[in-house]
Amino acid sequence: EVQLVESGGGLVQPGGSLRLSCAASGFTFSSYWMSWVRQAPGKGLEWVANIKQDGSEKYYVDSVKGRFTISRDNAKNSLYLQMNSLRAEDTAVYYCARGTAMYDYWGQGTLVTVSS
Amino acid sequence: DIQMTQSPSTLSASVGDRVTITCRASQSISSWLAWYQQKPGKAPKLLIYKASSLESGVPSRFSGSGSGTEFTLTISSLQPDDFATYYCQQYNSYSFTFGPGTKVDIK
Repeated sequence: EVQLVESGGGLVQPGGSLRLSCAASGFTFSSYWMSWVRQAPGKGLEWVANIKQDGSEKYYVDSVKGRFTISRDNAKNSLYLQMNSLRAEDTAVYYCARGTAMYDYWGQGTLVTVSS
Repeated sequence: DIQMTQSPSTLSASVGDRVTITCRASQSISSWLAWYQQKPGKAPKLLIYKASSLESGVPSRFSGSGSGTEFTLTISSLQPDDFATYYCQQYNSYSFTFGPGTKVDIK
């Protein structure tokens, strides 16, 4: 059974940093592009970043470029999102999802709240 | 970026109704469109990909159609489990934008 389990969310002050993790199981992690998608409270979905199987290609939505870094460790079947210089508008549930751009499996999400 | 719109934003329907949701793209996306269902507090669930292909395990009452800039999601006979919010998403080009969602609630 495919499982994606996010962790690392929490309350952080504006300008602060947070690192999200996603533990994958039930499939060959190293064979798939992986993505992060977020959803602000009561709002719609927004693609944030994705990463190629071997980590050689990474893409970001314009609003997080230069602040967020996506990475992966195929030996640990894990996906990461390092978030720096956080802003109030980054407040959202962050989902880890399998796929380049269309997502057949999603984690349960982890809430990031940016507030003083 | 490609902009996605959905109509209606809210739809009130009864069990057994035929329901249609429309999604429009600001430019042609060929058939690179997906539909997701999301229930409160849960992750989205993939229903349809490539505009009309049914994801494995999804009931056949769900169907998708369209190409270019106009797409529809149809639920042939609404069931109690189908009351949720539905999102379309283009994956023709970055930034893989989603529509604003259509909430299907009980009439």
